[in-house]
Amino acid sequence: KQEVTQIPAALSVPEGENLVLNCSFTDSAIYNLQWFRQDPGKGLTSLLLIQSSQREQTSGRLNASLDKSSGRSTLYIAASQPGDSATYLCVTNAGKSTFGDGTTLTVKP
Amino acid sequence: DAGVIQSPRHEVTEMGQEVTLRCKPISGHNSLFWYRQTMMRGLELLIYFNNNVPIDDSGMPEDRFSAKMPNASFSTLKIQPSEPRDSAVYFCASSQDRVYQPQHFGDGTRLSIL
Repeated sequence: KQEVTQIPAALSVPEGENLVLNCSFTDSAIYNLQWFRQDPGKGLTSLLLIQSSQREQTSGRLNASLDKSSGRSTLYIAASQPGDSATYLCVTNAGKSTFGDGTTLTVKP
Repeated sequence: DAGVIQSPRHEVTEMGQEVTLRCKPISGHNSLFWYRQTMMRGLELLIYFNNNVPIDDSGMPEDRFSAKMPNASFSTLKIQPSEPRDSAVYFCASSQDRVYQPQHFGDGTRLSIL
């Protein structure tokens, strides 16, 4: 059974700092891995999707990497802003979708 | 693009009542997913459909839960009879392709069973 773990559970940083969120998974037989953000009381917004054959994806200030052999993915956020404050979730897609518990990020002005 | 539309946004009802949650996926998307989110268990996949056919319903917690997708533009998740432990946020998501395309989520239905 796939298990997805996100560390840390919460992170607080000053505005402008670069940061890395971590996601690990136990079963490397996945189709893809997706990163989402969730704002309080809202649904999930897709940030990046990395196919199993890819190593990384970039969108603006976000960069996500995937290392299937070690069962890890990272989400790098450059020059963080207060508007980046949200909960970030990673999910593996392997026939079933398995979500991590998320990292709650607070960026202080 | 209207995105995934869920209704109602909020529902409060007494235990024992029937609850029906509704979802309209993004036009052209052929995969539809129902999730439940709670503080204790996080996000859980309940069931997903591909081309209106249920593919995996192993996440449906009990026989009290049922889901249908009568056509490509509409799906329902029904709980009968409802219980307080069913209180959660229920999300619907859709994607163009189960494997290669991202999932797009609705804003969810916040369900409270008293």
